[in-house]
Amino acid sequence: LAKTTQPISMDSYEGQEVNITCSHNNIATNDYITWYQQFPSQGPRFIIQGYKTKVTNEVASLFIPADRKSSTLSLPRVSLSDTAVYYCLVGDNSNYQLIWGAGTKLIIKP
Amino acid sequence: EAGVAQSPRYKIIEKRQSVAFWCNPISGHATLYWYQQILGQGPKLLIQFQNNGVVDDSQLPKDRFSAERLKGVDSTLKIQPAKLEDSAVYLCASSPRSKTSGGETGELFFGEGSRLTVL
Repeated sequence: LAKTTQPISMDSYEGQEVNITCSHNNIATNDYITWYQQFPSQGPRFIIQGYKTKVTNEVASLFIPADRKSSTLSLPRVSLSDTAVYYCLVGDNSNYQLIWGAGTKLIIKP
Repeated sequence: EAGVAQSPRYKIIEKRQSVAFWCNPISGHATLYWYQQILGQGPKLLIQFQNNGVVDDSQLPKDRFSAERLKGVDSTLKIQPAKLEDSAVYLCASSPRSKTSGGETGELFFGEGSRLTVL
């Protein structure tokens, strides 16, 4: 199972774009990259999933380079309410749910 | 659409006592997961059900933890006897996807969790 490495914490300011990078050097050919967000006292919430290049939804964008050994979650124009822990997972439908790292604690300041 | 329901939200027990947590997944979701999340850590998978069968319980401490999903709908996770290190949030998640040999993972839908404190 591919493991992921993320920064433990990040700070930013309201209105800025925030990019969180995840390293997954041992990603397998069939693996997808998925990001979740978790607020205190809540369960994780799905943000975005992708396999290659770029994926965008109403909340975020996910950039995946050609070698797929890393990925970057991009949050446009963050607000205070984006303060949360962000988890990067890799895997396919048979295994991706098995290993969660400690995530990246993102703190947005006014 | 109703989300994943869990109860109780909070539970405080003495060590060596027992506790049970209940989860009702989103209607029609075939796969149900129980995770343990210790403060400051990511969720750790305890057990995965597909319908009423166990798919993966390799990380479940079977000497004290048990789980069932008898009718393929709601599920119960039990801890008996509890230890201090079991203090954590127990998260239930569900997915409409069945575990296959691969493919897109889709989204896991999580409940709000049940916070256990063992004294």
